Amino acid sequence: DVKVTQSSRYLVKRTGEKVFLECVQDMDHENMFWYRQDPGLGLRLIYFSYDVKMKEKGDIPEGYSVSREKKERFSLILESASTNQTSMYLCASSRTGWKTGELFFGEGSRLTVL
Amino acid sequence: QKEVEQDPGPLSVPEGAIVSLNCTYSNSAFQYFMWYRQYSRKGPELLMYTYSSGNKEDGRFTAQVDKSSKYISLFIRDSQPSDSATYLCAMKGIQGAQKLVFGQGTRLTINP
Repeated sequence: DVKVTQSSRYLVKRTGEKVFLECVQDMDHENMFWYRQDPGLGLRLIYFSYDVKMKEKGDIPEGYSVSREKKERFSLILESASTNQTSMYLCASSRTGWKTGELFFGEGSRLTVL
Repeated sequence: QKEVEQDPGPLSVPEGAIVSLNCTYSNSAFQYFMWYRQYSRKGPELLMYTYSSGNKEDGRFTAQVDKSSKYISLFIRDSQPSDSATYLCAMKGIQGAQKLVFGQGTRLTINP
């Protein structure tokens, strides 16, 4: 089974802190994604990556950055956390060209910024 | 206007009922249509996958796509309490590689 692991399920941070969310997948997938999920808004794409050291902005990249130094790992960074970044963050991966669009999600990281 | 619209519910039905979940979309370039199921405190998982128009059946689940109306549906027959979850529609075009556009999700509860 494909497994996408998010290192932290629940985090509480203070405004202005730097926050790292880590994601690791074990199926050698080329593509990795970070979404945030908010009630009434569904899933919104923050950043995605098609390859190591490659990144592209999604629909809501402001206030976030990402890092992909190894194929299996994709990190989301909040440089200076703000209260409006309180949300559920979901990492996902997929294989290029196979059942295009099928994403495998992690269990999510619920971030609260005080 | 959002590219994909989905009624967030919540929707509550008795066990054994037929459930109909729907999404409308505005982008005629969408070719791949998916339904994801998300249990509480879990990530979404792919439930149904359809390319272009038509129907697809998998056990108690049927996915329908009507591209002329820009409307997709998921039907659940003989609904079970274990079907209680949030259901998200998602879709993409041929361009844009793996980027999906999601609906808001519908929270469904099946009451025993």
